[in-house]
Amino acid sequence: EAQVTQNPRYLITVTGKKLTVTCSQNMNHEYMSWYRQDPGLGLRQIYYSMNVEVTDKGDVPEGYKVSRKEKRNFPLSLESPSPNQTSLYFCASRRYGNTGELFFGEGSRLTVL
Amino acid sequence: DQQVKQNSPSLSVQEGRISILNCDYTNSMFDYFLWYKKYPAEGPTFLISISSIKDKNEDGRFTVFLNKSAKHLSLHIVPSQPGDSAVYFCAARWRDRDDKIIFGKGTRLHILP
Repeated sequence: EAQVTQNPRYLITVTGKKLTVTCSQNMNHEYMSWYRQDPGLGLRQIYYSMNVEVTDKGDVPEGYKVSRKEKRNFPLSLESPSPNQTSLYFCASRRYGNTGELFFGEGSRLTVL
Repeated sequence: DQQVKQNSPSLSVQEGRISILNCDYTNSMFDYFLWYKKYPAEGPTFLISISSIKDKNEDGRFTVFLNKSAKHLSLHIVPSQPGDSAVYFCAARWRDRDDKIIFGKGTRLHILP
């Protein structure tokens, strides 16, 4: 089954404690991206990657770090989480050059205390 | 600066009637427009798209209309069903910016029995 898998789905942490959310896709997609969803703000792009070893900032990259060492994986790290990073995070992938159809993971709800 | 705008945060429609969700955009460089549907506790899923060179695309109960001169698109759902209750995101692809996908803030659709 074609899917994008994120882990963990739920996480509560404290300010400053580094964490990583993993993302994996099994569709051999070149393009992967992270979004955060906040009430009244919709989906905002954090980082994206057009292929292995190629990453770039989205609209809200501050406080986040990504890497793309393998085509299928695109982990998102919060080096020193702060309460304003409490959000619902989505990983997504697609074939580069398609019409824009993204496949999303189920989301990771992160709370930073 | 919001390039994709959904000005109605929510919409209530009687079951069996037509639901019309609206979206405005400001960037003439978008070449594809998409609608995504999101249920609670799930990731968004692609619903329907339209090329900027078309003015209508239909898929079953869902039709998207594009008015380029007004920089406006709309999603029509006929007839509306209870399972259509969800948040709908309008999105646009920016071909010259690494195929960036920009999302609106979403409209929550309630289908009333």
